[in-house]
Amino acid sequence: GEDVEQSLFLSVREGDSSVINCTYTDSSSTYLYWYKQEPGAGLQLLTYIFSNMDMKQDQRLTVLLNKKDKHLSLRIADTQTGDSAIYFCAENTGNQFYFGTGTSLTVIP
Amino acid sequence: NAGVMQNPRHLVRRRGQEARLRCSPMKGHSHVYWYRQLPEEGLKFMVYLQKENIIDESGMPKERFSAEFPKEGPSILRIQQVVRGDSAAYFCASSPDPPWELFFGEGSRLTVL
Repeated sequence: GEDVEQSLFLSVREGDSSVINCTYTDSSSTYLYWYKQEPGAGLQLLTYIFSNMDMKQDQRLTVLLNKKDKHLSLRIADTQTGDSAIYFCAENTGNQFYFGTGTSLTVIP
Repeated sequence: NAGVMQNPRHLVRRRGQEARLRCSPMKGHSHVYWYRQLPEEGLKFMVYLQKENIIDESGMPKERFSAEFPKEGPSILRIQQVVRGDSAAYFCASSPDPPWELFFGEGSRLTVL
């Protein structure tokens, strides 16, 4: 659970879609999460997916889960400048939560 | 229902001093987690506590760091004899029972001169 991997940076143009990828480690993880961190602030839960699901859609957000490859992705449609932030994926194993390195998303106007 | 409250938000210490970081979980939450954030290193787990008990401290450095979550009052993360490498943002999160979602505080940013 301690080596959840994400790429560090992503830049997209306003209005395009953003896709943030994550590779997690524990196939027994019950929940997988996406958190958002704005500068100088704590983390806020964006969305989560239960491990027996393949996809979850919530307005502009789409989460895809590939359990075979232990791959999680977050797609943000119609990306806005307010979406600029660091995005963390996390896995929940038992009572423990492990986070990735975070992907810094920059939205170019 | 107030969120997770951390204080101080910013703390400056000289090498060798002690740092105490406090965290009040959300009302009704009995699980508290501490994480450390360094640039480009993500969130590193430090310790997981329930009321009066340390459940998992596998992420805590063996020396100088300690944590508690007493029956009454906030959880405390204590760093003795701070060094420059301790400079980081320290985040506390709490969870209801059973722990399936974390709620984060705004963090405490420690700077060691």
